[in-house]
This record gives sequence, structure tokens and C-alpha cells, in this order.
Amino acid sequence: SQTIHQWPATLVQPVGSPLSLECTVEGTSNPNLYWYRQAAGRGLQLLFYSVGIGQISSEVPQNLSASRPQDRQFILSSKKLLLSDSGFYLCAGQGGFSYEQYFGPGTRLTVT
Amino acid sequence: AQTVTQSQPEMSVQDAETVTLSCTYDTSENNYYLFWYKQPPSRQMILVIRQEAYKQQNATENRFSVNFQKAAKSFSLKISDSQLGDTAMYFCAFMKRNSGNTPLVFGKGTRLSVIA
Repeated sequence: SQTIHQWPATLVQPVGSPLSLECTVEGTSNPNLYWYRQAAGRGLQLLFYSVGIGQISSEVPQNLSASRPQDRQFILSSKKLLLSDSGFYLCAGQGGFSYEQYFGPGTRLTVT
Repeated sequence: AQTVTQSQPEMSVQDAETVTLSCTYDTSENNYYLFWYKQPPSRQMILVIRQEAYKQQNATENRFSVNFQKAAKSFSLKISDSQLGDTAMYFCAFMKRNSGNTPLVFGKGTRLSVIA
């Protein structure tokens, strides 16, 4: 079975600073990878997804970008954070013959 | 586009009792999957149960079962013998059956409290 790792677990950053959140996957190769954001008291919003190295699709135009430099690595970035970027960020993976998505533990980002 | 609606923002249940969480969805697709995820206070998303739309038999996982009504586009979750550890946010999710990318579409969640 696959395991999704995310770090850091929590992050407090000032407005205008850069961001890099990392997600790695164990236990499967060539997974589909996803970044979701969860605002307080709300459901999950899909931000980016990737079906392979260097292949990124964006669902919601915003201040964030994603990259997939390796098969099992997915990175969420920003050059300049906004207050509205605060939230809980979840990485998910879907691999092999399984249609199920499994989630990492998440990163709580607070922009001050 | 698909939408998922959870009409109960909050629910509570006494421990050892049974509770049902509602979910409806809107889609023009015929082949898809439905899921219930649990998010406890740790905020880790945990897959509880899944249902393939082409299967008529309702899925069951221990104390968790679903009532899948394809024509009505309804997918409710029943938790039997509720336990304190079931206290969590529960999200219903939809996914198209596709050979490629398949993002999940989530409802807004139901906060379930199990009371001793």
C-alpha cells in the first residue's frame, strides 16, 4: 500500500515571503498526485494535479504553482504569499491499479 | 461539472447508537466511484468506504455501510454501534471512472459528534 509524506507539518510565514511544501510517495510508481486546500470549516478544493513528471494541471488560477521534478515528488510553491493563502494543504496520491486516493498528514499554513 | 451536497453540517449521536449521514451528487456520468472520508481532529483524511457505481450491492466495512441509490443520486453512510472515536468530519466524494487523471470532488462535510 502507498504512504504519502508531507512536510512541514506546520508553517507560519509573513506576507510576501516564498513558500515550498513537499510531498513524497512510497509504495507505488507513476502515481497520479494531487494538491488540495482546505479552508477553515470547509471542504477540500483541488489546486493542482499531475499524471507524470513535469506534467502539471491547474484547477484554480491563483498565487500558487506546483512542480513534479521526480516520479514520486510533488512540490507546491509560491513566490510571494498572500494572507488568503492560509489554510490546510493536503497532498494525495493515486497509484497502480487502485482508483482510491490516499492522503498525507497535511500542512497547516498560516500567513501573517 | 459534478457537484456533491451534504445537507447536514452537524450531527450528534449517542455512543452505541446508529447514525446516518446524507450525501447527494449531480453528474451526467454513468461510470464513477463514490467515497466517504473521515477527518478526525488530527486532520488526517482517512478513507472509510468506497462504492463503484456499476455495482448494485451496497458496500460494507465493519460498522460502516452505505445506501447507494444510483437513480436518485444518493449515497448515505450508516455508522452502527457508534464509538467515541468516530467523532470527526465526514466528507462524501465523487470521482469519474477514467483511465487518466481522476480528481475527487468533495462535499462540504458533516461534523459528527459521538456523545458518551
